[in-house]
Amino acid sequence: EDQVTQSPEALRLQEGESSSLNCSYTVSGLRGLFWYRQDPGKGPEFLFTLYSAGEEKEKERLKATLTKKESFLHITAPKPEDSATYLCAVRRTGTYKYIFGTGTRLKVLA
Amino acid sequence: DTAVSQTPKYLVTQMGNDKSIKCEQNLGHDTMYWYKQDSKKFLKIMFSYNNKELIINETVPNRFSPKSPDKAHLNLHINSLELGDSAVYFCASSLFQDGEKLFFGSGTQLSVL
Repeated sequence: EDQVTQSPEALRLQEGESSSLNCSYTVSGLRGLFWYRQDPGKGPEFLFTLYSAGEEKEKERLKATLTKKESFLHITAPKPEDSATYLCAVRRTGTYKYIFGTGTRLKVLA
Repeated sequence: DTAVSQTPKYLVTQMGNDKSIKCEQNLGHDTMYWYKQDSKKFLKIMFSYNNKELIINETVPNRFSPKSPDKAHLNLHINSLELGDSAVYFCASSLFQDGEKLFFGSGTQLSVL
């Protein structure tokens, strides 16, 4: 059964304190792994898609990486505006269904 | 211009009532989805339509009935609401062939009393 597990559930960082969020997945044939950001009271907002092990994507202070079993979202020198819930999702080849993890709630303190 | 818009934003109702949530997208996408997000932030797919055709129908009580009058609209009707239906419901859309990015609406918070 396809499964996505994210850790930690919650993370508090001081401004400028870099860290990583983890997304472990089990899927029979990965079509893509996706990262989304969700702010309170809003819908998830797309960040990255990763397709194969070794791939990396960057956007401002965020960098996503992918291995055959997990993905990391690295946050470098975070700012308070990076505070949000970060969701990871996978899509199996041949399906149109995205399986989401329960997210990591990130709080960056000024 | 809101890309994916849902109405209403909040819905408070009594058990046993019937309610509908509407969704519209102006992105030119051909695939639309309904997701349910519980209190633990877990997003679970309920339904998906591609060009008005149902392509995903998860194990959802038959009290939930989606309807897609055209590619740009996907509505969700819920009969005989129960306490356990309380959640945030998100509409999303994507391009079928691309299918890589889901664009989400801002959600409808349903509270069943």
